Amino acid sequence: AQSVTQLGSHVSVSEGALVLLRCNYSSSVPPYLFWYVQYPNQGLQLLLKYTTGATLVKGINGFEAEFKKSETSFHLTKPSAHMSDAAEYFCAVSVNTDKLIFGTGTRLQVFP
Amino acid sequence: GAGVSQSPRYKVAKRGQDVALRCDPISGHVSLFWYQQALGQGPEFLTYFQNEAQLDKSGLPSDRFFAERPEGSVSTLKIQRTQQEDSAVYLCASSLGGSGRDDEQFFGPGTRLTVL
Repeated sequence: AQSVTQLGSHVSVSEGALVLLRCNYSSSVPPYLFWYVQYPNQGLQLLLKYTTGATLVKGINGFEAEFKKSETSFHLTKPSAHMSDAAEYFCAVSVNTDKLIFGTGTRLQVFP
Repeated sequence: GAGVSQSPRYKVAKRGQDVALRCDPISGHVSLFWYQQALGQGPEFLTYFQNEAQLDKSGLPSDRFFAERPEGSVSTLKIQRTQQEDSAVYLCASSLGGSGRDDEQFFGPGTRLTVL
């Protein structure tokens, strides 16, 4: 069965610091991988996705993620955190169907 | 419309009551998904429609849960005889469909169901 593990339910950084949110997946076939962001009282918004090809993918708001097959990882990074980045972030995998399997989420806090 | 809309945004039900949650997908989107998000958890897949056909209902937790999309647009998720463990946020998502599993799913704001 496919699964997603997000290490760290809460991450706190200072404004301007590097953001690193970890995601590991389990899949027996090549996965499609996604990062979504959820702001309070809003729907999930797609940040970026990996399907095939280049393993470093860039998304909106300065975020990027790198697919590492050998490590079964798809960590999300941003060089410099902004106050507006405070939100909940979900990693998800899609294997052989359209449905998404989500991790449990990481809440990012950004301190001034 | 501009995005996926869901109604009501909040629903409080007494245990044993039936509830109906509505999803209006983005106009023209073929695929529609329902997810359940319990407190502190990630969304979990419930069911999937392509037009009016329900192609996957493997995530529905029990036969008390029923979903329909009779005209291939608006969808309703119905929960009969609600129980406290049904308390969660129910998310609807839609996608253009047709290009497979890299289709972007657009999510609505969700309906927060509280069962007392």
